[in-house]
Amino acid sequence: AQSVTQLDSQVPVFEEAPVELRCNYSSSVSVYLFWYVQYPNQGLQLLLKYLSGSTLVKGINGFEAEFNKSQTSFHLRKPSVHISDTAEYFCAVSENGAGSYQLTFGKGTKLSVIP
Amino acid sequence: DTAVSQTPKYLVTQMGNDKSIKCEQNLGHDTMYWYKQDSKKFLKIMFSYNNKELIINETVPNRFSPKSPDKAHLNLHINSLELGDSAVYFCASSHSDRGTEAFFGQGTRLTVV
Repeated sequence: AQSVTQLDSQVPVFEEAPVELRCNYSSSVSVYLFWYVQYPNQGLQLLLKYLSGSTLVKGINGFEAEFNKSQTSFHLRKPSVHISDTAEYFCAVSENGAGSYQLTFGKGTKLSVIP
Repeated sequence: DTAVSQTPKYLVTQMGNDKSIKCEQNLGHDTMYWYKQDSKKFLKIMFSYNNKELIINETVPNRFSPKSPDKAHLNLHINSLELGDSAVYFCASSHSDRGTEAFFGQGTRLTVV
């Protein structure tokens, strides 16, 4: 069975500072990895995904993530955050199960950008 | 056009009532899902439907029943609502054979009083 661990439940960071949100996963088979963002009172929006190929993945809003198979990690980074990046961030993993790619989510990391 | 739409956005109801949440997707996906997000923001999959067949059914109470009249719709029926059912429910859809991302609706905030 697959699982996802987001190591930090809350991350405060000053505006224009860099940020890293950590994600580790476990699975017995090859997986696909995703980062989603949830703004207050809204649904989830995809930031980026790793399916195969280059381990450095670039997403929307200046975010990027690096897949590290040996460390089973998929950390999310941004070199300079803005106030508008304040949101809940979810790491997710999917593997083929009974013909459907079920997404399993981590518990989320609340990013708070301080002016 | 909204890709995945849910109605209603807010639902307040009394304990013991029966309610439904509707979901429609216009992306041509063949798999749809229902997720529950609790007060701590934890997302847990409840059901997924592929080609009108239930393929994953997590350990949710049988008071919850998904109904899919066609590939574009997956409704969630909840009988005998309880206080603990209060949460935000998200519908999502994806392609089953591509390992691609799921697209989410805006959520339905259910409050049971």
